[in-house]
Amino acid sequence: AQSVAQPEDQVNVAEGNPLTVKCTYSVSGNPYLFWYVQYPNRGLQFLLKYITGDNLVKGSYGFEAEFNKSQTSFHLKKPSALVSDSALYFCAVRDEDTGRRALTFGSGTRLQVQP
Amino acid sequence: GAVVSQHPSRVICKSGTSVKIECRSLDFQATTMFWYRQFPKQSLMLMATSNEGSKATYEQGVEKDKFLINHASLTLSTLTVTSAHPEDSSFYICSARRQGERTEAFFGQGTRLTVV
Repeated sequence: AQSVAQPEDQVNVAEGNPLTVKCTYSVSGNPYLFWYVQYPNRGLQFLLKYITGDNLVKGSYGFEAEFNKSQTSFHLKKPSALVSDSALYFCAVRDEDTGRRALTFGSGTRLQVQP
Repeated sequence: GAVVSQHPSRVICKSGTSVKIECRSLDFQATTMFWYRQFPKQSLMLMATSNEGSKATYEQGVEKDKFLINHASLTLSTLTVTSAHPEDSSFYICSARRQGERTEAFFGQGTRLTVV
């Protein structure tokens, strides 16, 4: 079975400071990892993904994430937060080896960036 | 980029009536579409996987007779909530995977269903 954990319900950060949103995963095979952002009453917007290759993945809006196989983590980061980054962030995983095609999502982390 | 359009964005219906939600891939063909349900302040829960031209695969605990899914073409999947009840009120989101693509799925903007 595949699963994702986002240990923080909410992350608060001041504008201009670096931010980190944590994600750990569990799969039996090779993981495909994703980050999505959701604004109120909207669908999910894709930020970035890790499939293979470099462990540091760069995505939209200045976000990046680092795949750490030994720690089974895929934390989302941004060097300098903006107020407009305030939203709900979801980490998701798909175990390519199981053939399950749907994503499994974490519980979500609400990011609040204060001016 | 790939665009998935979901319609309607909001719907209010009376208890006992049925509601149809459409999910369209606008600029690509999608052999597989997924339907998720999201409760307030919670994550997305997969309801079913929809394959063009065949029956949908429902997740455990999802009533297939209540949530009818049809995927009649490579660009359209529909979810019909039959005999809706207030507990069916939720945010429903679809996603579509481009034909031949094995990784990324693109999400619709979601449908807020309120059953009164």
